[in-house]
Amino acid sequence: IAGITQAPTSQILAAGRRMTLRCTQDMRHNAMYWYRQDLGLGLRLIHYSNTAGTTGKGEVPDGYSVSRANTDDFPLTLASAVPSQTSVYFCASSDSIRSVSGYTFGSGTRLTVV
Amino acid sequence: AQTVTQSQPEMSVQEAETVTLSCTYDTSESDYYLFWYKQPPSRQMILVIRQEAYKQQNATENRFSVNFQKAAKSFSLKISDSQLGDAAMYFCAYRRGTLLFGNEKLTFGTGTRLTIIP
Repeated sequence: IAGITQAPTSQILAAGRRMTLRCTQDMRHNAMYWYRQDLGLGLRLIHYSNTAGTTGKGEVPDGYSVSRANTDDFPLTLASAVPSQTSVYFCASSDSIRSVSGYTFGSGTRLTVV
Repeated sequence: AQTVTQSQPEMSVQEAETVTLSCTYDTSESDYYLFWYKQPPSRQMILVIRQEAYKQQNATENRFSVNFQKAAKSFSLKISDSQLGDAAMYFCAYRRGTLLFGNEKLTFGTGTRLTIIP
């Protein structure tokens, strides 16, 4: 593993089903983030975690939940998927408090809810 | 809340020419960072260049440079000698610099799709 690994790469999901998008980093970064990317809207923050054991809500948190049991993993769960959650999801991380270098991103998960 | 605006949904440029992508932002903070990210068809987000607000000198990375106008809250990206590999979606992003409790989120613009004409 080098950087951030997201799984699955893509998924077609029936509406109403539960789905967990996985994100693992091997850089020992403190902070991790979940964004969704939609055409014409850019990337919008769903949830974030400043450090293991803590999480916070971003700009569009409704319908999503996260957990941060350890430094490396930051899964995103859709409890009951709806078509408006069709999007490309990016996990990202940044290092310690003064992370002037921006983020490291995963390769994204394309999710289609039908 | 901070906002980032990219007013050019699409741009095109002839190969080897120069193109400038626009970005404006709104903030009441004095300490912040600005970034340009490139997203090629592979979907990977790649950091192109960053600018610290407290630095007056414009950042430069090889063929990529920025024109940072702090008073105007403008942060444009200039790509010189455009190459076919520069074709991508480009996102401008803002991050607050004063970190009291940990990391701060990036706020993104809506992106500019850049096409390179051979």
